[in-house]
Amino acid sequence: GENVEQHPSTLSVQEGDSAVIKCTYSDSASNYFPWYKQELGKGPQLIIDIRSNVGEKKDQRIAVTLNKTAKHFSLHITETQPEDSAVYFCAAVNYGGSQGNLIFGKGTKLSVKP
Amino acid sequence: DAGVIQSPRHEVTEMGQEVTLRCKPISGHNSLFWYRQTMMRGLELLIYFNNNVPIDDSGMPEDRFSAKMPNASFSTLKIQPSEPRDSAVYFCASRSRQETQYFGPGTRLLVL
Repeated sequence: GENVEQHPSTLSVQEGDSAVIKCTYSDSASNYFPWYKQELGKGPQLIIDIRSNVGEKKDQRIAVTLNKTAKHFSLHITETQPEDSAVYFCAAVNYGGSQGNLIFGKGTKLSVKP
Repeated sequence: DAGVIQSPRHEVTEMGQEVTLRCKPISGHNSLFWYRQTMMRGLELLIYFNNNVPIDDSGMPEDRFSAKMPNASFSTLKIQPSEPRDSAVYFCASRSRQETQYFGPGTRLLVL
């Protein structure tokens, strides 16, 4: 089955700097890769996603890149702000496969220092 | 849309008591998921349903846990009897086919 590894587990940056979180997956058939942000006391919220037919997607300060050959995808946050502080989860799934559930990474706790 | 609705938001109970968590998925979504989140184990999938039918319950810890989805707009997760190690945040999520999965706000369960 699918396995998703996420690094780093914790990340601390200064406000205004960029943050990068990386994930690798094992199932080459995976074709949908969402990223979730979880703030303290709340449920995970989708912030951006990418499908396997696209190499990069951007939404304001957030971008995701996908390398299908290497089986890894990354979240890039530019011009970080204190409100970006949260736990970020990557996930992967093979839509169309026998198991349609997202496989999550262990999460990255991002701290943005003002 | 109101999003995924979970109740109660907080539950404190004593060991041995029955606990029932409730979830209302987003209207029109045909898949529903129950997760458990703890510091030690992270986010774990317990069970998921497609069109009200349980597809994979391999994540359910033991027979004390059971889940039902009697119709497309309601699901329950029951723990009987509850134990202190069941203390966690339980999330419900829903999705429409191959689209985005949305999470509810969670139920914080504390078993004393």
